[in-house]
Amino acid sequence: EVQLVESGGGLVQPGRSLRLSCAASGFTFDDYAMHWVRQAPGKGLEWVAGISWNSDTVGYADSVKGRVTVSRDNAKNSLHLQMNSLRTEDTAFYYCAKGPVPAASRVYFDYWGQGTLVTVSS
Amino acid sequence: EIVLTQSPGTLSLSPGERATLSCRASQSVSSSYLAWYQQKPGQAPRLLFYGASTGATGIPDRFRGSGSGTDFTLTISRLEPEDFAVYYCQQYGNSPSTFGQGTKVEIK
Repeated sequence: EVQLVESGGGLVQPGRSLRLSCAASGFTFDDYAMHWVRQAPGKGLEWVAGISWNSDTVGYADSVKGRVTVSRDNAKNSLHLQMNSLRTEDTAFYYCAKGPVPAASRVYFDYWGQGTLVTVSS
Repeated sequence: EIVLTQSPGTLSLSPGERATLSCRASQSVSSSYLAWYQQKPGQAPRLLFYGASTGATGIPDRFRGSGSGTDFTLTISRLEPEDFAVYYCQQYGNSPSTFGQGTKVEIK
């Protein structure tokens, strides 16, 4: 059974940093691209970042480009999102999502974690 | 960036009724790279369809995805109590991947 478990969320002040993690199990982690998708409370979904199976290709939404870095550790079956210079508009549930292929582009998301809440507020 | 507009915003129906949800794209979606998700309160989204009409594993056959180009439809032939939820479409043919704003299917 595919399981994706996010951690690292919490309350943080504007301008500070936070690192999210996703622990994956139930599938061959290094065969697939992985992504982060966020959802502000009561709002819709927004793709944030994606990384290919071997980390060669990464992509970011314009809204976070330059402030966020996605990475993965295939030896530990883990995905990470380093978020810097956080803004109030970054407040959202952050979901770890699995792509169906090794490439990071042109993909839908076939499995999702339960999400971790990031609240940016002073 | 492709903008996806879902309609209606809310659909009020009774169990057993047919639901028809629309997703319209601001430009043609490459190779029908369109997915549908279902999200229930407090839960993560669940993949229903990809490639506009290919069902994900375990999706009941009362659900149907269709469409191409700029117009896509999710149909639920007979609503079951567990189908009342929010549904999102996503295009993944053009970068960046974008989602519609969602259609809420609520119990009338």
